[in-house]
Amino acid sequence: LQLQESGPGLVKPSETLSLTCTVSGGSISNKNYYWAWIRQSPGKGLEWIGAIFYGGNSYYKPSLESRVTISIDTSRNEFYLNLKSVTAADTAVYYCATVLIPSHTLDYWGQGALVTVSS
Amino acid sequence: DIQMTQSPSSVSASVGDRVTITCRASQGISTWLAWYQQKPGKAPKLLINSASSVQSGVPSRFSGSGSGTEFTLTISSLQPEDFATYFCQQTNTFPLTFGGGTKVEIK
Repeated sequence: LQLQESGPGLVKPSETLSLTCTVSGGSISNKNYYWAWIRQSPGKGLEWIGAIFYGGNSYYKPSLESRVTISIDTSRNEFYLNLKSVTAADTAVYYCATVLIPSHTLDYWGQGALVTVSS
Repeated sequence: DIQMTQSPSSVSASVGDRVTITCRASQGISTWLAWYQQKPGKAPKLLINSASSVQSGVPSRFSGSGSGTEFTLTISSLQPEDFATYFCQQTNTFPLTFGGGTKVEIK
């Protein structure tokens, strides 16, 4: 499996951050995985944002839940992250990754996409 | 959320040294724990799952142990390619959470 993030590298404060993860080498309808977004602020640790199953069930970090939407398009083999009302604190490298079921390990990762929130 | 606390936050070591990193969970998670290695500018790489099961292709100098709330990652004889940052992650329940990381630096 290969995952690749894409989207704008610069987002203005109060706007919506939108990223796409394109999956290749396998089907996003694979029942063995959730599809997840994780971020890492510069020089900081890892933060799980949320995940989605191919059927559409999604799970979010509670502190981000009011601003986050993760969606999936099985016909395009892609899943998406929308994070609204961003601030400078949302500046980070955003990774998409697979969450293996049932171990919940993050087995495959994209290379990461740096998103900077700045006017 | 389950809080994960790693220590130390950094360690300086020499090639050939034995290095041990500790991870504590805020509540019992049985052996639902994974360890990752991250090198600068790269995505994390899964090393160990289920607290002690080493992934295929990972050198045997890496080992993990523990259950409940306390876990360790041990590198038995540090090699040059092992200088990196290591993270633990609880795999017990959503939201998945990570330790703050341990940077292994050259002494």
